Parts: sequence; C-alpha cells; structure tokens
Amino acid sequence: NAGVTQTPKFRVLKTGQSMTLLCAQDMNHEYMYWYRQDPGMGLRLIHYSVGEGTTAKGEVPDGYNVSRLKKQNFLLGLESAAPSQTSVYFCASKNTGTAFSGANVLTFGAGSRLTVL
Amino acid sequence: DAKTTQPPSMDCAEGRAANLPCNHSTISGNEYVYWYRQIHSQGPQYIIHGLKNNETNEMASLIITEDRKSSTLILPHATLRDTAVYYCIVGRRMETSGSRLTFGEGTQLTVNP
Repeated sequence: NAGVTQTPKFRVLKTGQSMTLLCAQDMNHEYMYWYRQDPGMGLRLIHYSVGEGTTAKGEVPDGYNVSRLKKQNFLLGLESAAPSQTSVYFCASKNTGTAFSGANVLTFGAGSRLTVL
Repeated sequence: DAKTTQPPSMDCAEGRAANLPCNHSTISGNEYVYWYRQIHSQGPQYIIHGLKNNETNEMASLIITEDRKSSTLILPHATLRDTAVYYCIVGRRMETSGSRLTFGEGTQLTVNP
C-alpha cells in the first residue's frame, strides 16, 4: 500500500546537468501531476497527464519535460538544470472518480528536494 | 477556476477548535471547495471537500455559506500535530475535464500547547 512514491528524495546537481525524477503510483490512477514548491510559496503545476501516453503543460513548464509511457509512472526531466530550478518537487495522482465521491482528491508523494548549484 | 483568499496565519490553543476561513466570492455553480493541508516538508494531504452542504468526516468539518462565497474548515479539537499550512481550493469536479487544482499560499495554522 505504497501510494505515490518519488525517487530520489534528495539530489544535488551542477548547473547544466540533466536528471530525471521518477513518480510511481500503485493505485491505478489515471491522472498524474508534477508540482514544484519554493520556500514560503504554494504549489505550482509544472506538467500533468490525464492518461498513459498523454502529457500537458501546467503553469510553469519551461525547462522541464515529462513522459507517461506506463500508467503507473510519470517522469519529470530536467535537460539542463539551472539554479532557478532549485525547489521541492511533488508528484500527485488521482482517479477519474464517479459522482461526488473521490472527485479531485489528490494523493501526493513525499517530495523530492533538488538543489542546483 | 475561482480564486480563494485565506489569512496567512492563525494560532489556536491545543484542545480548542480551530476555525479556518476562506473566501471564494467568484466560485461558480459547478465548483467544489476542497481543503488540503501540508505538514512541514511533507506532501499535501486531502482533508475534506463540499459543494453546498456542510460536510463532516473523521478529520474535520466544512461549513459553506448559503451563497457559497465563503467557507470555514473546523478542526474540532486541535492538537499539536495539526500545525500545518491549510489550503482552501475551489475547482470543478474532474472526470473527463481532468480539471486541476491550484494551490495558493494557504494559512499557516500553529497549534500552541
């Protein structure tokens, strides 16, 4: 009963390096999301997916790419990391829901803390 | 999606009720009110949601005004573990729309011993 698992939990990168954050959910959820959270701020949506093989841009997509090749996994990539991408990244998922119950109830991962030097 | 306004911070004594207000004056008829909280350094956690009727679950109660322009989240007996940032969000029920929830800055609730 893992829910949403994010790896890695911590990572330090140098400017220009690339990396991928992995989000895995075992709840058979259709929708998955990547958010970033900077100190003292709310969450900002980077990219999201409404199903396997689909992705869409959120509020702050620049500098990131995503893929959803398998329903249970949602990958967030940084091709050339910049100090401005230092943040805590949260992945979330939710099901389609039926009627009232379960609508827009997101399950979040524990977060991945990324530092870009 | 409608925007919300919450006080940046609130204090509450342990064992007392914590009442967290939220204004959402531009909410539309098909938008729900959702509450999440985020305990320091953890991922946000769903608390409760409602459309127009008051709702209660094992965590909290949600009171929505008749005109739906504001709501209050009530933690009936706050504990130190309830210290967190509380987010009030309005959004459509998703399904095919895949509607997204927008998290603002929320209210930092501090429960004091």
